[in-house]
Amino acid sequence: GAVVSQHPSRVICKSGTSVKIECRSLDFQATTMFWYRQFPKQSLMLMATSNEGSKATYEQGVEKDKFLINHASLTLSTLTVTSAHPEDSSFYICSARDPRDHTGELFFGEGSRLTVL
Amino acid sequence: AQSVTQLDSQVPVFEEAPVELRCNYSSSVSVYLFWYVQYPNQGLQLLLKYLSGSTLVKGINGFEAEFNKSQTSFHLRKPSVHISDTAEYFCAVSVIVYGGATNKLIFGTGTLLAVQP
Repeated sequence: GAVVSQHPSRVICKSGTSVKIECRSLDFQATTMFWYRQFPKQSLMLMATSNEGSKATYEQGVEKDKFLINHASLTLSTLTVTSAHPEDSSFYICSARDPRDHTGELFFGEGSRLTVL
Repeated sequence: AQSVTQLDSQVPVFEEAPVELRCNYSSSVSVYLFWYVQYPNQGLQLLLKYLSGSTLVKGINGFEAEFNKSQTSFHLRKPSVHISDTAEYFCAVSVIVYGGATNKLIFGTGTLLAVQP
């Protein structure tokens, strides 16, 4: 099946700094990628849909300036948490859809745990 | 609008016992259905999916699920669980739109399967 890789798996940063998380589709070209946030013992909350070559589509309540998404190529999407604060600490997961698959199945990265001190 | 309900937030079960994780969905149009598993600090892995045809779907790790259109359910079952099955399980739906393509995946709140020795 399709493989999605996410990096870094864990990151610790100081409050006020910015953190970038990368999401790569390894064996297919992903025109669309999705970024989720997961709080402890909760479900996945869709933050935004990343579209290659165009602006990301953010879900209601998600700050665009806080969570910058860039999808510059067909295999890479990045999420930058700007001026991170402790409340941004969370598990961030990216996923991608193989355009050859029309079932809606998503292939997920390994997740990135962000801890803001 | 579509929604997914997983009534059980946690299901404790003894090793080698059978288990059923419940999932109900709401949609006025046809959907594809999925079960994903998430192990601690990892991304999501597809267990199985229902697209069409036989209502009984077999997945990885000995899991299976049955699609019941009249009850709008897609319950996940395993006849004998192992300690290693302890994980969070998510049910999800994607709506079939014109042309066979789909839009975003909608997740349930998840069920923690806790297998005890």
